[in-house]
Amino acid sequence: EVQLVESGGGLVQPGGSLRLSCAASGFTFSSYWMHWVRQAPGKGLVWVSRINTDGSSTNYADSVKGRFTISRDNAKNTLYLQMNSLRAEDTAVYYCASDIVGVFLFDYWGQGTLVTVSS
Amino acid sequence: DIQMTQSPSTLSASVGDRVTITCRASQSISSWLAWYQQNPGKAPKLLIYKASTLESGVPSRFSGSGSGTEFTLTISSLQPDDFATYYCQHYNSCSTFGQGTKVEIK
Repeated sequence: EVQLVESGGGLVQPGGSLRLSCAASGFTFSSYWMHWVRQAPGKGLVWVSRINTDGSSTNYADSVKGRFTISRDNAKNTLYLQMNSLRAEDTAVYYCASDIVGVFLFDYWGQGTLVTVSS
Repeated sequence: DIQMTQSPSTLSASVGDRVTITCRASQSISSWLAWYQQNPGKAPKLLIYKASTLESGVPSRFSGSGSGTEFTLTISSLQPDDFATYYCQHYNSCSTFGQGTKVEIK
């Protein structure tokens, strides 16, 4: 059974940092592109970042470029999102999602982890 | 940038109803259109991709159609688990979601 389990969310002050993790199991993690997608409270889905299968290529939404860094450890079957210089507008549930082809089609999703940026 | 617009934003229906949700793209996206279902407090779930291809395990009461700029998601006979929010998404070289359509109990 495919499982994606996010962790690392919490309350952080504006300007602070957090690192999210996404532990994958039940599929060949190293064969999948991986993404982070976020959802602000009561709002819709917004793509945040993408990483290719070996971690050599990454992409970011303009809203997080320069502040967030996506990475992966295929030996540990884990995806990461390092979030720096956090702003109130980054408050959201952050989901990791898998994508077998690398075309932003999200076939499996984790349950999400809530990040709250507030003083 | 391509914008995706769904209508209606909210839809009230009863169990057994036939329901249709529309998604319009601001420019042609061929068939690069997916639909997701999100139940309250849960992660989204992929229902349909390439505008009309049903994801494995998704009930056949869900169907998708369209190409270019206009797309529809149809639920032929609404079931209790189907009361949820539905999102369309343009994918391929980027990802853009519609704003969502909430299907609520009438």
